[in-house]
Amino acid sequence: TQLLEQSPQFLSIQEGENLTVYCNSSSVFSSLQWYRQEPGEGPVLLVTVVTGGEVKKLKRLTFQFGDARKDSSLHITAAQPGDTGLYLCAGFSGNTPLVFGKGTRLSVIA
Amino acid sequence: NAGVTQTPKFRILKIGQSMTLQCAQDMNHNYMYWYRQDPGMGLKLIYYSVGAGITDKGEVPNGYNVSRSTTEDFPLRLELAAPSQTSVYFCASSYPGTGTLTNYGYTFGSGTRLTVV
Repeated sequence: TQLLEQSPQFLSIQEGENLTVYCNSSSVFSSLQWYRQEPGEGPVLLVTVVTGGEVKKLKRLTFQFGDARKDSSLHITAAQPGDTGLYLCAGFSGNTPLVFGKGTRLSVIA
Repeated sequence: NAGVTQTPKFRILKIGQSMTLQCAQDMNHNYMYWYRQDPGMGLKLIYYSVGAGITDKGEVPNGYNVSRSTTEDFPLRLELAAPSQTSVYFCASSYPGTGTLTNYGYTFGSGTRLTVV
């Protein structure tokens, strides 16, 4: 079973600060996805990265896939209270279903 | 589009009771999945289906059963409920059947919170 380790597990920051969360594995993934989950709801897809070294931007969120396709990072610039939630990374290895990390719980305080 | 619809949203079961969690999608997706989410443990795959009539076990299938008689529906059956099955259950779907599977994200329902007492 491929494992995805996310860090940190919890993060509490002030509005306007920058932050980075990490998703690491010893396995190679054909693609990696990031989801955000709010209380009482299911996860919602933010981005899919496919190519090693790929960088994608979604407004203030920047996603990077590692060159070896074993890790990824999510950087948020000038965090806002609306960014609060559980951030999950998930990876595909072959055509088997997504494997999820345990998540990073982010709290942005106004 | 409704997306993925799960019912019920909440349920309390007594030990030994049975129930079916319903899941329906209207996006004509081929693939459907059941995950459970426990606090601090991420999402764990219970069962999945790549099309009508085809199902396969995930990481934690014990105590559950599924069926996929139509493209739209993928119910999850709990027989003889146990306290260890207290969790939040998410159904998801993906893949319209064309293109690269691993480029598609999952669409999740809003979950069923189950408590077994």
